[in-house]
Amino acid sequence: KAGVTQTPRYLIKTRGQQVTLSCSPISGHRSVSWYQQTPGQGLQFLFEYFSETQRNKGNFPGRFSGRQFSNSRSEMNVSTLELGDSALYLCASSHRGGLGYGYTFGSGTRLTVV
Amino acid sequence: TQLLEQSPQFLSIQEGENLTVYCNSSSVFSSLQWYRQEPGEGPVLLVTVVTGGEVKKLKRLTFQFGDARKDSSLHITAAQPGDTGLYLCAAPEDTDKLIFGTGTRLQVFP
Repeated sequence: KAGVTQTPRYLIKTRGQQVTLSCSPISGHRSVSWYQQTPGQGLQFLFEYFSETQRNKGNFPGRFSGRQFSNSRSEMNVSTLELGDSALYLCASSHRGGLGYGYTFGSGTRLTVV
Repeated sequence: TQLLEQSPQFLSIQEGENLTVYCNSSSVFSSLQWYRQEPGEGPVLLVTVVTGGEVKKLKRLTFQFGDARKDSSLHITAAQPGDTGLYLCAAPEDTDKLIFGTGTRLQVFP
């Protein structure tokens, strides 16, 4: 059973640019959540999608957006990149959602903004 | 926003020692999970506890959920270098949102 696949693994972007990250969940999993991980803030929730609908959103500016496709694959986009957006972006999938079922995480995309 | 505070923040021990990591909150949770994350990888689920007072064992790891379901602990017996990593507790805040604790970074030296 393939795990959660995130692409690309590493990315270097310049301030002001935009970036799109991709996540393919485990087959059969319909819930995809995105997290930002930084040394200072830890794991911060970005948003959660289920069957192409955003069900929950974290406290991030509108520059952060996402979507989910009919095959459950998800993308997140960050526009007008800032230095502070440098982080490990993690995608997690679950069958129904995080409550009590546990997530399976991908290896993440390491974004560096210079 | 509910918070999950973990302690200690860092732990550096010798192989063979025992240790306990704590996860505390002022909120009551329906369940709580523990994850371990190694450098360059995503967190990996270790266990889910659901019932207040529940104790689960995973080889040398013992997990306990507090009676009031506000706190949890992870105890490692005879730690090994392979236990090195970032330990995270997590709990559902809403039906669709999992929040994570501040993390405990464990280093076990041979």
